[in-house]
Order: sequence, then C-alpha cells, then structure tokens
Amino acid sequence: GAGVSQSPSNKVTEKGKDVELRCDPISGHTALYWYRQSLGQGLEFLIYFQGNSAPDKSGLPSDRFSAERTGGSVSTLTIQRTQQEDSAVYLCASSLETNSPLHFGNGTRLTVT
Amino acid sequence: AQSVTQLGSHVSVSEGALVLLRCNYSSSVPPYLFWYVQYPNQGLQLLLKYTSAATLVKGINGFEAEFKKSETSFHLTKPSAHMSDAAEYFCAVSVSGTGFQKLVFGTGTRLLVSP
Repeated sequence: GAGVSQSPSNKVTEKGKDVELRCDPISGHTALYWYRQSLGQGLEFLIYFQGNSAPDKSGLPSDRFSAERTGGSVSTLTIQRTQQEDSAVYLCASSLETNSPLHFGNGTRLTVT
Repeated sequence: AQSVTQLGSHVSVSEGALVLLRCNYSSSVPPYLFWYVQYPNQGLQLLLKYTSAATLVKGINGFEAEFKKSETSFHLTKPSAHMSDAAEYFCAVSVSGTGFQKLVFGTGTRLLVSP
C-alpha cells in the first residue's frame, strides 16, 4: 500500500484482557515509531525502532506495554492486562531514514471497558 | 527538556480570513520544529518543518510559519482560510541528542472555519 497501515482501526476490549495492535509501515522505511493520543494528554512518544531494534523505549508507560518489529517491517504493540486508562488512539509512523519526514497511519482507537 | 505550548485549544475564523495558530517552544539547544495537521479519523500529516535553514518556512496548502528565536515562537499562518482547512493542528519539537525524531507535541489547536 501507499501509506502506513494500522489494524484494527477500532478495538473494544474488557479490562484485564490483552490486546495486540499492528502496524505495517511504508515499504522500505527503516524507522518506525509508536505514539499514543489521549484526550487531554495530546500525543505521547512510546517507542522507536530502527530496523528490528528499539534504541528508545522510554515512552512505554509500564511493563504491561511491549512492542516488537520483525523483518524490519511489521510492528506489533502489545498491551497486557489492559486498564481503562489505556483507552486512547495509538498511532504508528514510519520514515525512510532517521531524519526523514514521519508518515503516520490513521491509528487504532482502543477502548477499554 | 524541550516542550511546546499551543495557545488556544480552539480557533474560529471565517472563510477567507487570516489564520494564525500560535506555538511557543522551550529548548536549550537550537530546535527542529514542526507543524502537523490531523483531519477527522486520520493520522497526522506534516505541514512544514524548520531545521535551522530559512526562518520563514513554507508548507503545503498555503500555510507558512516563521521561526523567531527572540520570541521562542513558531506560529502558523495562512492568509485566507478555506473550509477544507478545518482540522486539528499540532506543533512539535524534536528532542535533540536522540539522533532520531522523538517528537514532543503540543496539545493541539482545533481550527473551525465558518462560511
């Protein structure tokens, strides 16, 4: 596809369940980012991948959050034992190189009931 | 630490009027600054960026922003608003020393355009 693809677009889950959010970056983009957009909080950096490694995961809110990237392409953000405060839009972005412009996906809207 | 402040969570203008969205930054080193736009149910799209070249930066859709070091500002302007400009706008600063685009975003300004 032409852009960054995220799935699912919407996810409703019960408190305590685990969820997986997927990001397909633009083909050939080496850098991949996860951000979280919460009401009243704005956009927060979560984690950055260069290739398959994550040099900076300082934005992950707790050890319930983890992410991986395989084959230098698809990335999965996993949230274990979801809490209501995890409700937010999770945005993925990729860039061709480290300092190239970011291209954002449309996000996954997560609602924890 | 770098930060940005966007003044006004909502800005309303009439179609054809000047658009001015304010952004002030805090940075101990020369910053890289960005404006992004987000249309409903979509991701963010880069409007323009400042990376220490020309202080007046022109972006897409007729927007421009001027970097003013003395005022620590990077306000976004457009001479004449169009209905299609209605969206949320985010100012962001890149955290220096990371070697990558770790962006710190403002809380956003929603632009409303009336006919």
